[in-house]
Amino acid sequence: EVQLLESGGGLVQPGGALRLSCATSGFTFSTFAMSWVRQAPGMGLEWISAVSSSGDSTYYADSVKGRFTISRDNSENTLYLRMNSLRGEDTAIYFCAKVGSTVVRNTSPYFDYWGHGTLVTVSS
Amino acid sequence: QSVLTQPPSASGTPGQSVTISCSGSNSNIVSYYVYWYQQLPGTAPKLLIYRNNQRPSGVPDRFSGSKSGTSGSLAISGLRSEDEGDYYCAAWDDSLSGPVFGGGTKLTVL
Repeated sequence: EVQLLESGGGLVQPGGALRLSCATSGFTFSTFAMSWVRQAPGMGLEWISAVSSSGDSTYYADSVKGRFTISRDNSENTLYLRMNSLRGEDTAIYFCAKVGSTVVRNTSPYFDYWGHGTLVTVSS
Repeated sequence: QSVLTQPPSASGTPGQSVTISCSGSNSNIVSYYVYWYQQLPGTAPKLLIYRNNQRPSGVPDRFSGSKSGTSGSLAISGLRSEDEGDYYCAAWDDSLSGPVFGGGTKLTVL
């Protein structure tokens, strides 16, 4: 059974930093690209970052470029998101999502499994 | 404001059929696959339709997807109360060089 489990969310002050983790199991992690998608309270879904299966290639939405860093540890089957210079508008539930195929682009919107999400609140 | 436009709400009574539209442009839906996600209250999104009209295993055939030109559609037949939730379309967008989601449609089963 495929499982994605995010952790690391919490309350942080504006300008602060957090690192989110997404522990995975049930599939060959090292062969699939992964993404982070967030959802602000009462709002829709927003893709923010993706990483290739090897970790060599990373991609970001303009809203987080230069502030967030995606990475992965294929030996630990874990995805990460380092978030710096956090702003109020970064307040959201952050989901990790597995790309549904090994033959689509790394930033495909084809997500066949999602974690339950972890809440990040940026407030003073 | 998303580049993929969905109606904010849709509704139907149990047993009825409903269709949710997703309007895009030449930079997204025309050239790329449309995906649909279901998000039930308090839960994570779930893949409902991939590659315009394919259903993952376990998704009932009451759900179907289609694409024509710059628009995609999700049809739900035999509405059930457990279908209540939010539905999102998604596609790759050339202008943004990344995946985009529609704003979501809240489905109410009356």
